[in-house]
Parts: sequence; structure tokens; C-alpha cells
Amino acid sequence: DTEVTQTPKHLVMGMTNKKSLKCEQHMGHRAMYWYKQKAKKPPELMFVYSYEKLSINESVPSRFSPECPNSSLLNLHLHALQPEDSALYLCASSQDGTSGASGGELFFGEGSRLTVL
Amino acid sequence: AQKVTQAQTEISVVEKEDVTLDCVYETHDTTYYLFWYKQPPSGELVFLIRRNSFDEQNEISGRYSWNFQKSTSSFNFTITASQVVDSAVYFCALNRPGGYNKLIFGAGTRLAVHP
Repeated sequence: DTEVTQTPKHLVMGMTNKKSLKCEQHMGHRAMYWYKQKAKKPPELMFVYSYEKLSINESVPSRFSPECPNSSLLNLHLHALQPEDSALYLCASSQDGTSGASGGELFFGEGSRLTVL
Repeated sequence: AQKVTQAQTEISVVEKEDVTLDCVYETHDTTYYLFWYKQPPSGELVFLIRRNSFDEQNEISGRYSWNFQKSTSSFNFTITASQVVDSAVYFCALNRPGGYNKLIFGAGTRLAVHP
């Protein structure tokens, strides 16, 4: 079983809805990530939080708003999404936000499959 | 610039066949990390192996083995006696040490193992 838990597993929303994706890890990791994965494509990095601070924003549109309430939790707030935002959203964690000692090993959740109508 | 190429988009084999997934990378760094992840239909990316650039020893883990060759910038993955449960998408990835974790993924290879 994965040690990174994501909810919901599936989400269908309209373009005017507001919804949130949630991610939780209990491995004591201090870095958490959001990745977006379109069908038959590799994951693309969206955000990195290190020690609860936003470290990387890969020029993600503001309709995606990340939040890290504490080191175990990561949310992704969704508002006014477009149909092209439909994808698998993967959360991951690592010991810290740098690729030093651990080499950057990430632990992924099973993802939240989002459909925007 | 860093780049990972997985030229094989899809591979189809029959159970018990051996199969090799190719990975070629580009980087100007002398120190770097290479990874293989497996993504089954459930969606989760499962970590398989990490190799740093100073360790060129090949590794074997059960039916899995990895061949790292710096001379050809390749990090190939072989599954021996494949099983239906090996069916998944496999991603090779590259990371630059010292900075924030930003894995560069290859396009992935979809492996289908048929009974």
C-alpha cells in the first residue's frame, strides 16, 4: 500500500465549480509535490513545497492554488478550470526538497483523476 | 540541458520472455541520479531503483536488472521471465543533485505482458 494518500480518487467538475484535491503522508517527509499527468504522457511538475514553504511554481495558471497546512498535508484548490485541465494529478513526497542525500527519491500517491466538463 | 529519451513507446511480449527497456539520457553534470519508476494501471508511480553517476555497477533485484553505462549515457532495464503483473508503464528519470528536486522524466515505455 502506498504511504502517500490522495483523495478523492476520481473527481468530475464543471468549469465554474470550486473543488480541492487532498494529499497526506506520514513518513516524516519535509517536501511535497504536485504533478500533472495527461494520458500517455510523463508526469509534469507543478509545485514543490519544502518545509511548508512554496519552493517551486512551474508557471502554473492561477486557477490552480496549492496549500500546505503542515508538513503532512498538501492541498490543491481548483477554480474555474478548463476541459484541458482534465488529467491525473499526482502527489509525491520526499525526505526534503533537495536532491542531496536521498538523490531525489520521490514517493507517489495513486493520484486523483480529474475530469472537467 | 537535461533530457531523457525512451525510444520504445510500447512493447508487447508473451509471459516468460525476457524484455529490455531502453533509456538514454543527456546531461552536462558530472554528478547526477538516475531512476526507474513503474506505473501500473492504478496510477501510482512505484520507485524501482536509484543510481548515482559514480556507481556504474550493474544491479540485480530478483527478476529485475539494470545496466548503467556512462560511456553510452544509457541506463537500461531488463525484466527476466516476464509476468503478466509486470504490465505497466515504465519511466526512466534523471535528477540533478544539489538543487531542488526536479525529476526529468522520459516519455515512458508501455509494457504489455500477455499470458
